[in-house]
Amino acid sequence: QQQVKQSPQSLIVQKGGISIINCAYENTAFDYFPWYQQFPGKGPALLIAIRPDVSEKKEGRFTISFNKSAKQFSLHIMDSQPGDSATYFCAASRRGAQKLVFGQGTRLTINP
Amino acid sequence: ETGVTQSPTHLIKTRGQQVTLRCSSQSGHNTVSWYQQALGQGPQFIFQYYREEENGRGNFPPRFSGLQFPNYSSELNVNALELDDSALYLCASSLGLAGGATGELFFGEGSRLTVL
Repeated sequence: QQQVKQSPQSLIVQKGGISIINCAYENTAFDYFPWYQQFPGKGPALLIAIRPDVSEKKEGRFTISFNKSAKQFSLHIMDSQPGDSATYFCAASRRGAQKLVFGQGTRLTINP
Repeated sequence: ETGVTQSPTHLIKTRGQQVTLRCSSQSGHNTVSWYQQALGQGPQFIFQYYREEENGRGNFPPRFSGLQFPNYSSELNVNALELDDSALYLCASSLGLAGGATGELFFGEGSRLTVL
């Protein structure tokens, strides 16, 4: 119940295209869903996060879509750029918990 | 404002040895969490420290231990190293107890441990 399943493991998108990464969770107590971006040799950095009281959150080219009934959430990157090439992790946590539960990651490559 | 800094960045140990990894939290942050990231995997929660006490632990054996100091910096100690301990160890700081649940975790660049 503590797992967060992320897909695909790797993704190649052409410059200007839309990148979509999906995550599913089982624990209905989760109420915080962040996405982290990690470049090689760096630690993860928070990209965008959502709580289950909204179905979508947009920040610039990055959008989280959240489906509470399906227990799924996804990251959309519009107008993908080569600089977006990185590994993306979804995560989940519940109020009062000390930890984030991370997905396995998606290696995104944007071809110029 | 200084970010989270970790040392050493890389180290190699042999099976059975002990290792200490260090972390300085971001200025103003009083909570430190440690995560283990195996190659090609997402980070896994080891434990969290708040006010110099362990406040939550993941599924890691007791040979993984830690400390937090009055200045909020922290150490991760691993005894009796095993080959499977080879990983990137990430320190993350936050403000307050439930940083992962209600706010942002700020990660360092990690310490890459190789156990031979």
